[in-house]
Amino acid sequence: GESVGLHLPTLSVQEGDNSIINCAYSNSASDYFIWYKQESGKGPQFIIDIRSNMDKRQGQRVTVLLNKTVKHLSLQIAATQPGDSAVYFCAENIPGSSASKIIFGSGTRLSIRP
Amino acid sequence: DVKVTQSSRYLVKRTGEKVFLECVQDMDHENMFWYRQDPGLGLRLIYFSYDVKMKEKGDIPEGYSVSREKKERFSLILESASTNQTSMYLCASLPVQGIRPQHFGDGTRLSIL
Repeated sequence: GESVGLHLPTLSVQEGDNSIINCAYSNSASDYFIWYKQESGKGPQFIIDIRSNMDKRQGQRVTVLLNKTVKHLSLQIAATQPGDSAVYFCAENIPGSSASKIIFGSGTRLSIRP
Repeated sequence: DVKVTQSSRYLVKRTGEKVFLECVQDMDHENMFWYRQDPGLGLRLIYFSYDVKMKEKGDIPEGYSVSREKKERFSLILESASTNQTSMYLCASLPVQGIRPQHFGDGTRLSIL
């Protein structure tokens, strides 16, 4: 399944299936993107990042895809496990003359069906 | 591992009180940030600091101030708390070199009655 991470929708997946969480970012000048995982009662935890000169990056069970043409970012989680239940949100880094600006999406809640 | 520690997980205060939220990081990061997180709105930047005694307003600084007297500590101050400041507050730190992700604390859930 897919979901857009702007209005905290919920994505429900079967344990063991792959999850795909999407994010539409705002600025074509953004040069760096980050996915965070936030479990209940905890702060955001870094999962994976990607620079704008790449279109794919893989980690352990996670893959981030970047499509700059349509300003779209996705997070793929392979073989989803109960411990993956959390809110996932993306962030984009917009470079500036004096300082960068980081914009965060509002997130998608991932729930796992046993 | 970087550790960002926020002094309180939960805090209940009354309208009009002066409220202090404390954040400490242990990795000698130059940049520190305060965000508030509200459902459906994502993280919104209140203030950030790129060095001791330096501060910059973020997107929603009204009603808040900050203090950075030591590199490792960044305090958020609600001068006169109001009910619309009930929220989750998150502190983050970041080294100045390179493009890297921020490191977050576990947040302070603040309720203003």
